Amino acid sequence: GESVGLHLPTLSVQEGDNSIINCAYSNSASDYFIWYKQESGKGPQFIIDIRSNMDKRQGQRVTVLLNKTVKHLSLQIAATQPGDSAVYFCAEERSNTNAGKSTFGDGTTLTVKP
Amino acid sequence: GAVVSQHPSWVICKSGTSVKIECRSLDFQATTMFWYRQFPKQSLMLMATSNEGSKATYEQGVEKDKFLINHASLTLSTLTVTSAHPEDSSFYICSASDGQYGYTFGSGTRLTVV
Repeated sequence: GESVGLHLPTLSVQEGDNSIINCAYSNSASDYFIWYKQESGKGPQFIIDIRSNMDKRQGQRVTVLLNKTVKHLSLQIAATQPGDSAVYFCAEERSNTNAGKSTFGDGTTLTVKP
Repeated sequence: GAVVSQHPSWVICKSGTSVKIECRSLDFQATTMFWYRQFPKQSLMLMATSNEGSKATYEQGVEKDKFLINHASLTLSTLTVTSAHPEDSSFYICSASDGQYGYTFGSGTRLTVV
């Protein structure tokens, strides 16, 4: 069945290091991917997105890489800061469904050690 | 950017009573809103898609008579949990779309049924 999953449930990094969070998806029809950050007790916050016609997209301190061949995407956070500590979800949408209807992966908890 | 307001942020109710949660788009019109449910340390699960002026579309396994959704205007959707029971205790989150690829979430409502 369809799924959007993450490789690791937790990730601990030292402040200042780079973080890489991975995500696998199984549905080849997925054509839009989003990374969200969720802090405790809050709703998800959009970080960055990428469409299936792209391999890489960069934002401020974040980069998303998409490998359609192996149905894998990753979120890279440069110079990780304590404020980056949160749960990170990847989500996928398909253009033949309602825009904004996201299927979420399981989430990776990122802990940044000072 | 787009802002979605959710109210209340937390609520405690007695078993058997009903609770209404509001989701408002503050600076844009939302033709479609989504309601998610999140249990502790788990991912977000889509409950239903709320469309302005028409009936909501519920995901498989979600009881439409228990989780009443009303989307009477382009800026407001409400979720009413009827005859709440302790197993309904969860974090409820809405998201709103303006018809494009949307990704704006509310801050969530923590429901505790005692």
